[in-house]
This record gives sequence, C-alpha cells and structure tokens, in this order.
Amino acid sequence: AQSVAQPEDQVNVAEGNPLTVKCTYSVSGNPYLFWYVQYPNRGLQFLLKYITGDNLVKGSYGFEAEFNKSQTSFHLKKPSALVSDSALYFCAVRDETGGFKTIFGAGTRLFVKA
Amino acid sequence: SAVISQKPSRDICQRGTSLTIQCQVDSQVTMMFWYRQQPGQSLTLIATANQGSEATYESGFVIDKFPISRPNLTFSTLTVSNMSPEDSSIYLCSVGDTNTGELFFGEGSRLTVL
Repeated sequence: AQSVAQPEDQVNVAEGNPLTVKCTYSVSGNPYLFWYVQYPNRGLQFLLKYITGDNLVKGSYGFEAEFNKSQTSFHLKKPSALVSDSALYFCAVRDETGGFKTIFGAGTRLFVKA
Repeated sequence: SAVISQKPSRDICQRGTSLTIQCQVDSQVTMMFWYRQQPGQSLTLIATANQGSEATYESGFVIDKFPISRPNLTFSTLTVSNMSPEDSSIYLCSVGDTNTGELFFGEGSRLTVL
C-alpha cells in the first residue's frame, strides 16, 4: 500500500534563511512524487514533481526537491524563504501502476517570520 | 493546465439535509476526482468519476452517502446526503493531466453542517 509521511506538523524559519520541509514515502513500485501548496481558503496548487530523471527537481516560486531512493525521501527545499511562502504544504505520492490515485501526506504548515 | 470551477464556494447547512457541489472544467477530461479535506487534516480521496460509468468509491465512502454524477467530459457533481456535523469539510474537485501526470484542483467547497 502507498503511504506518505510528513513528520513535522509545523516548520518555522526566518525570512532569508533556507527552509526544508520533510517527506518520506512508501510505494510498491516506482514512485511518482509531488509537492502541493495550499494558501488560506484556496485550493491546492502544484509546486513540482518527480517522475524520472534527475534527482533534483526545480519547481514554482524557487522551490526544489531532492528525490533520494535509498532513504525513500522527497524533501522540499528553498534557499531563501519569503514571508509569502507561509502556507500549508502537502507531499503526495502514487505508484507508476496506480493511474491518478494519489495519496497525500498530513501536511506541514510553514511559518516564515519577517 | 486545467481551470476548475466549483460551486458553491462555501455553504452552511442544517443537519439532515443534502447539498450538491458542482465542478466544471474548461477542457474535456476522462477522469475527475473528488477529495475531502476535514478540518486540520489532509486530503482523502472519496471517489473517481469517469464519464459514462459508475463512480469508483474508496474504502469508507459509499454511493448512498456521496452520490456522484458525471454527465459529460467537463462536468461532475458530488452530493453530500443526510449531512451531519462530521461532514463539515472542504470538498475538492480534481482532474489529472495525462501528459504531465499532475493533478489540478478546484478552489474547494467549504461545508459547515450545524
């Protein structure tokens, strides 16, 4: 069965500092991995994905994520946080055989302090 | 990318009543998905709606409680029947892009059941 874990309910970081939001996953086959962001009273917005290829993927708003197969992780990173990055971040996974059936993590709330 | 419109954006409902949520997509899509996001929690897939066939429900969700219609390739409805306060959630419509593997989400429908 597929699963995804976001071990931190909340991450606090000062503006200008680097940020990391952690995600680990479990799938039976090759993983398709995603990060989404949700701003208050809004739907989810796609940030980036890993399907195949380079382990480091770059996405919207300066975010990037690194796929680590041995550690089954897909941590979200940004070199310099902005106050406007404050939001709820979801890691999601599906396996290559599951069509579009996607499992979401519990979410991590990011607070960036000015 | 797909543009997804949901109606209503929010509603306050009385216990025991039913509410139908509409989802309109600006392009033809094969599969549409309905998710529930309970307060402070992650997204849970309710069902997959394919045009021309019965919806496929996930474990814990049944057609009598969440009937779904999919009359054409751009439209779907989800009804939340005989509502109780436990049904208070955000309900999100989603479609998948078969070329990129991404899921696109509507803004969500926030239901409060009194």
